[in-house]
Amino acid sequence: KAGVTQTPRYLIKTRGQQVTLSCSPISGHRSVSWYQQTPGQGLQFLFEYFSETQRNKGNFPGRFSGRQFSNSRSEMNVSTLELGDSALYLCASSLWGQGPVSGANVLTFGAGSRLTVL
Amino acid sequence: ELKVEQNPLFLSMQEGKNYTIYCNYSTTSDRLYWYRQDPGKSLESLFVLLSNGAVKQEGRLMASLDTKARLSTLHITAAVHDLSATYFCAVYLQGTGNQFYFGTGTSLTVIP
Repeated sequence: KAGVTQTPRYLIKTRGQQVTLSCSPISGHRSVSWYQQTPGQGLQFLFEYFSETQRNKGNFPGRFSGRQFSNSRSEMNVSTLELGDSALYLCASSLWGQGPVSGANVLTFGAGSRLTVL
Repeated sequence: ELKVEQNPLFLSMQEGKNYTIYCNYSTTSDRLYWYRQDPGKSLESLFVLLSNGAVKQEGRLMASLDTKARLSTLHITAAVHDLSATYFCAVYLQGTGNQFYFGTGTSLTVIP
């Protein structure tokens, strides 16, 4: 069974640019969450999508946005990049909200997209 | 906002020794998860604890949950080098959607 796939794995951008990251969840998973991981702030929740709808959003500025497609694939976009946006962006999928089997709600993470902003 | 604290942040231990990592959280929750992250890799699920008093064991790792004390522990028995990694606890807060609050992580180094 294929895991969570994130692309690209590494990218370098300059301040002011924008970036789009992609996440393909495990087949059958409709919940996709995004997290930012930095050495200083740790793992912070960005947002979560379920069936193309954003259900929850973390405490990040509006420059961070996302969407989900009908096949559950998700993208996140960061506009007007700042140096502080340099981080590992992790996508996770789960069965949350899909009936009794989702009770344990374990997140399965992708390998991440490492963004460096210069 | 839910706060999740882990201690210690860094742990260096010799092979064969035992140690415990602690995870405290600030708001009532009956779901706690432990993840492992190897350097440069993603997070791997270790344990899911779904009720007060829950205990799960896998190999040299054992996790427990005390919801009344808002405390989870990850106990390492007879550590081996392969256990070197960063360990995170994560708390799920019902009513916030599918949002997890992660602890600061404990970086474990097992010295031969």
